[in-house]
Amino acid sequence: GENVEQHPSTLSVQEGDSAVIKCTYSDSASNYFPWYKQELGKGPQLIIDIRSNVGEKKDQRIAVTLNKTAKHFSLHITETQPEDSAVYFCADSWGKLQFGAGTQVVVTP
Amino acid sequence: DTGVSQDPRHKITKRGQNVTFRCDPISEHNRLYWYRQTLGQGPEFLTYFQNEAQLEKSRLLSDRFSAERPKGSFSTLEIQRTEQGDSAMYLCASSYLNTGELFFGEGSRLTVL
Repeated sequence: GENVEQHPSTLSVQEGDSAVIKCTYSDSASNYFPWYKQELGKGPQLIIDIRSNVGEKKDQRIAVTLNKTAKHFSLHITETQPEDSAVYFCADSWGKLQFGAGTQVVVTP
Repeated sequence: DTGVSQDPRHKITKRGQNVTFRCDPISEHNRLYWYRQTLGQGPEFLTYFQNEAQLEKSRLLSDRFSAERPKGSFSTLEIQRTEQGDSAMYLCASSYLNTGELFFGEGSRLTVL
């Protein structure tokens, strides 16, 4: 995909609350949507991904939902913890990923 | 440690100098990617290799940039006649065949004075 838009750019939540990050994409052919977490001084690391034949995927406290008709997908983090504080990036495309601009998530105790 | 390793981690250079970064991917991975990341932005795709073949280059990659992966293992990214706008984090990633997940190194941070 050529263009992935991500919102919000920053997100502050109290520990224990939920966090939601949304992304929209423009390429109808996109069929793979990963989410990466980047901690300070480190490279991005995959935390969850979803393929176009599935509407939702969950892994413990994180989940991703996909709406192909509307061309958007979202990351949901429940019961947030201080170690969830990081920058989160959505991306699309297979292999050669196109990333969003990122969301700085701050979880305050 | 069998992850993706990049060298050097930090490079400070003067405008006009040439710099080279090295990436050693995870050994069984046949795809290798270079990305550039500036402060507050997501990684931007530069180029990628499948084995030793360079399959795609972004329009971001001007003629001052060149990347190689001579034996399908490690890769180098060279920037000639550096400019201040080249200051960024250069990230390398690798993946196995055409699986979705990219494994990133910790990056090489370039500062051009």
